[in-house]
Amino acid sequence: DVVMTQSPLSLPVTLGQPASISCRSSQSLAHSDGNTYLNWFQQRPGQSPRRLIYKVSNRDSGVPDRFSGSGSGTDFTLKISRVEAEDVGVYYCMQGTHWPPVTFGGGTKVEIK
Amino acid sequence: QVQLVESGGGVVQPGGSLTLSCAASGFTFSNYGFHWVRQAPGKGLEWVAAIYYDGSNKYYADSVKGRFTISRDDSKNTLYLQMNSLRAEDTALYYCVRDVGVVGPEFDSWGQGTLVTVSS
Repeated sequence: DVVMTQSPLSLPVTLGQPASISCRSSQSLAHSDGNTYLNWFQQRPGQSPRRLIYKVSNRDSGVPDRFSGSGSGTDFTLKISRVEAEDVGVYYCMQGTHWPPVTFGGGTKVEIK
Repeated sequence: QVQLVESGGGVVQPGGSLTLSCAASGFTFSNYGFHWVRQAPGKGLEWVAAIYYDGSNKYYADSVKGRFTISRDDSKNTLYLQMNSLRAEDTALYYCVRDVGVVGPEFDSWGQGTLVTVSS
């Protein structure tokens, strides 16, 4: 199974400042079809997860453009250009290239300093 | 708009059974595959099971294989998860998730979850 490792575990950020979350996979997530099935989800307190980014860098409809995804192979990053109060929550990466099983990272908790 | 509404959760004794349902609306149910993903209290996300859009393939996490069964009824726009031989470690919030992917899973919509508690 592909192991997804996120860092940091916790990320205190000042409002208006940037934030960056790392996600590393135990093997390359490049699929033979040319795509890389790496997604990012946001889970606000008390809410269901919501997808922000799919296939590494594609933002979902309605997701603010301060969120961006990048990376390739085994190293991926979610960046928030300027953190707002509504961004508080836990962020998860997920791979769907080598499935089953689908595997998630352990999560990164973003909080305001 | 896409709606996924889970139900059927509750408190069950170890070794017991429970069936979860997920009622879908706002889209053509039979065109999509679905997954169940769970989240133990205060923990991260764990994939549980998947079913193809036509029901032709079903997949399970090793932790539930042989105990859980995923199924669908397209006439009722409903996804199911039959859970047998439940253990304390199955205690979690169970989410129904729509898959819009063609090759790799792409989870674009999640339900609000239904809580399963396994306890004596």
